[in-house]
Amino acid sequence: DGGITQSPKYLFRKEGQNVTLSCEQNLNHDAMYWYRQDPGQGLRLIYYSQIVNDFQKGDIAEGYSVSREKKESFPLTVTSAQKNPTAFYLCASSDSYLGEQYFGPGTRLTVT
Amino acid sequence: GENVEQHPSTLSVQEGDSAVIKCTYSDSASNYFPWYKQELGKRPQLIIDIRSNVGEKKDQRIAVTLNKTAKHFSLHITETQPEDSAVYFCAARGGVGGFKTIFGAGTRLFVKA
Repeated sequence: DGGITQSPKYLFRKEGQNVTLSCEQNLNHDAMYWYRQDPGQGLRLIYYSQIVNDFQKGDIAEGYSVSREKKESFPLTVTSAQKNPTAFYLCASSDSYLGEQYFGPGTRLTVT
Repeated sequence: GENVEQHPSTLSVQEGDSAVIKCTYSDSASNYFPWYKQELGKRPQLIIDIRSNVGEKKDQRIAVTLNKTAKHFSLHITETQPEDSAVYFCAARGGVGGFKTIFGAGTRLFVKA
């Protein structure tokens, strides 16, 4: 399945709690991405990283944070500042400037 | 900021007919345009892509055309089959944002048997 994994598949949290979503890839890809997908919607870019120890905000970065300490890992933290965090979160990676993106299976986060 | 618009949002065709999905992008420096297919509950998967130095690309029943002057690109599926039913996303990448990839809102394709 492309060598990119996300865990857990389903995640439930109470409002006001921070939560961290895991994304790992063994494809030796330089670039990694986080997207949010709401029902019937497209993929909106949260953060992306082109290289270790570097990352850039996407279109909807407010209320989220990331780190890229290792090439293989790009965890996403959904903070309590995110107004509407319930969504399907997809992680992706690519190997070069013009490379295909491989997506993970996604994490469905529900915050009540 | 950069934007990708995709039309139509829903498309219903009879099996064997063709389906066309169109996208326009705003960043004239974009240079890579992939198309993804997402089946219900699954991850998006690349079905075809085109780079800015090419005007058309074909892979069996699927083709993509790019008009850089007009900043639009299209997906063409011929001889549609029920298993083509899914959500299709276009995307535009590169330019000032480098690796940044912006997706369209998606087209839900129904192929009726």
